[in-house]
Amino acid sequence: EVQLVESGGLVIQPGGSLRLSCAASGFTFRDYTMHWVRQAPGKGLEWVSLITWDGGSTFYADSVKGRFAISRDNSKNSLYLQMNTLRTEDTALYYCAKDTGSSIRGYYFDFWGQGTLVTVSS
Amino acid sequence: DIQMTQSPSSVSASVGDRVTITCRASQDISRWLAWYQQKPGKAPKLLIYAASRLQGGVPSGFSGSGSGTDFTLTINSVQPEDFATYYCQQANSFPHTFGQGTKLEIK
Repeated sequence: EVQLVESGGLVIQPGGSLRLSCAASGFTFRDYTMHWVRQAPGKGLEWVSLITWDGGSTFYADSVKGRFAISRDNSKNSLYLQMNTLRTEDTALYYCAKDTGSSIRGYYFDFWGQGTLVTVSS
Repeated sequence: DIQMTQSPSSVSASVGDRVTITCRASQDISRWLAWYQQKPGKAPKLLIYAASRLQGGVPSGFSGSGSGTDFTLTINSVQPEDFATYYCQQANSFPHTFGQGTKLEIK
């Protein structure tokens, strides 16, 4: 059974930094592109970032480019999101999501974690 | 960025009704489109990918169609467990973008 378990969300002040983690199990983690997708309270879904199976390529939404960094450790079946210079508009539930394939462009999200809540507030 | 526009934003239906949700892309995305279902407090669930391919385990009452810029999700006979919010997502180019969502409510 595929499982994705996010952690690391908390309440943090604007300008702060945070690292989210996602522990994967139930599939061959190193074979798949992975994503972070977020959802602000009561709002829709926003794709945040993608990393290819080997970590060789990464892509970001314009809203987080230059502030967030996605990474992975295939030896630990783990995905990460380093979030710097946080803004109030970054407040959201952050989901880790598995891609349906391994391509550099990413396709669709066939498994999702339960999300971890990041609240940016003074 | 490619804008995805869903209509309607909400729809009321009774159990057994047929419901159609539309998603329009701001430019041609071929068939690079998925549909997700999200229930309150839960993560989204992939229903349809590549515009019309049913994800494994998804009931056959769900179907998708379209190509280019116009797509539809059809629920043939709405069941009680289908009341949720539905999102389309394009995978044609970065950034992957979602529609704003369509809430299916009980009439």
